Amino acid sequence: DSGVTQTPKHLITATGQRVTLRCSPRSGDLSVYWYQQSLDQGLQFLIQYYNGEERAKGNILERFSAQQFPDLHSELNLSSLELGDSALYFCASGTGVSGNTIYFGEGSWLTVV
Amino acid sequence: AQSVTQLGGHVSVSEGALVLLRCNYSSSVPPYLFWYVQYPNQGLQLLLKYTSAATLVKGINGFEAEFKKSETSFHLTKPSAHMSDAAEYFCAVSNAGGTSYGKLTFGQGTILTVHP
Repeated sequence: DSGVTQTPKHLITATGQRVTLRCSPRSGDLSVYWYQQSLDQGLQFLIQYYNGEERAKGNILERFSAQQFPDLHSELNLSSLELGDSALYFCASGTGVSGNTIYFGEGSWLTVV
Repeated sequence: AQSVTQLGGHVSVSEGALVLLRCNYSSSVPPYLFWYVQYPNQGLQLLLKYTSAATLVKGINGFEAEFKKSETSFHLTKPSAHMSDAAEYFCAVSNAGGTSYGKLTFGQGTILTVHP
């Protein structure tokens, strides 16, 4: 158990819909990272938050957004869903200090039908 | 920009044999390097990381990796494979330092199969 909690574990939704994925970081970690794992794109960094502020952005679509709340949990919002958005979405957390370990949650499986 | 290349999408070994999973990286700044393992239907677990200390890094489950700057490589090895090592392995790179630490660039992964 990494200490990073993600909900829901599985989600099936229709095209055009909107979903929210939730992540609770390890106790004491200020940084939250979101990654997408798909068969065709592999593991890709989406976005990072540090203590409530966006810190780095990767290949995140405009239809996707994220935020980190004062209690440090984070949500990834995916809207106008397409079939190609079906993937495993990972949240990871870390202290934000260079060299420290980044811990991954078990992921949220999203299937768009 | 940074990138990771994992040579060999599938590696098959016999139980007790040497495991060698290859990783080459490209980075314009000193890198941090990681190996993660993913078991079926599970998240990513850190095996080991290189953060500019010793070039030979020992990790969990008997794995180790050596950072070779001249070869831009960070290959993962284990002297004797066990059936429980069967999983997918990912090499990743991050810029050392700075605010974007933790923004990992992953390789495509290597599936390790262990035969009895």
